[in-house]
Amino acid sequence: AQSVTQLDSQVPVFEEAPVELRCNYSSSVSVYLFWYVQYPNQGLQLLLKYLSGSTLVKGINGFEAEFNKSQTSFHLRKPSVHISDTAEYFCAVSRRGTSYGKLTFGQGTILTVHP
Amino acid sequence: KAGVTQTPRYLIKTRGQQVTLSCSPISGHRSVSWYQQTPGQGLQFLFEYFSETQRNKGNFPGRFSGRQFSNSRSEMNVSTLELGDSALYLCASSPASGGASGDIQYFGAGTRLSVL
Repeated sequence: AQSVTQLDSQVPVFEEAPVELRCNYSSSVSVYLFWYVQYPNQGLQLLLKYLSGSTLVKGINGFEAEFNKSQTSFHLRKPSVHISDTAEYFCAVSRRGTSYGKLTFGQGTILTVHP
Repeated sequence: KAGVTQTPRYLIKTRGQQVTLSCSPISGHRSVSWYQQTPGQGLQFLFEYFSETQRNKGNFPGRFSGRQFSNSRSEMNVSTLELGDSALYLCASSPASGGASGDIQYFGAGTRLSVL
């Protein structure tokens, strides 16, 4: 079984400041890792994914994340945020190989960007 | 390519009724997964269908069921609605074509169900 812990439920930040959203996972098997973003009254949009290879992955909207296997972490970072980045962010894992359609999500982090 | 389409976007039902939600996956995607999102429990996996067969199921009562048609479209049904079933129901599709990329899920906008 897998579990995901997002260490901050809310992160306030000023525009143009850097931000890091933290994610730790636990799993007895190898996993794939994802970050999704949800804007109000919308579904989930894939920001980035780690499947294999380089542990630093880049996604859309200037976001990046680093997979750290020894610390079982997959923290999301952006060097300079915009007002439009205000949203809820979800870290998720799936079983490597085949997940049979199951993603396990963290509880979400609400990022609020202030002017 | 069109994204994942869920209909309807909003639904209001009363306790005891049943409801059917629909999901059309991205063209060529063969797997459809369903999730329930609530403020208290977060995002929880309901079930997954592939080639018209349920391959995986989460920890939900039997009142929650689904099916998949030969064109990969999927429906989810909830019978005997309870107040606690009020939630955003999200559908996701993936290619399920083998390999890591085949497992990436793309989500629809969701159906918001309110049970009164």
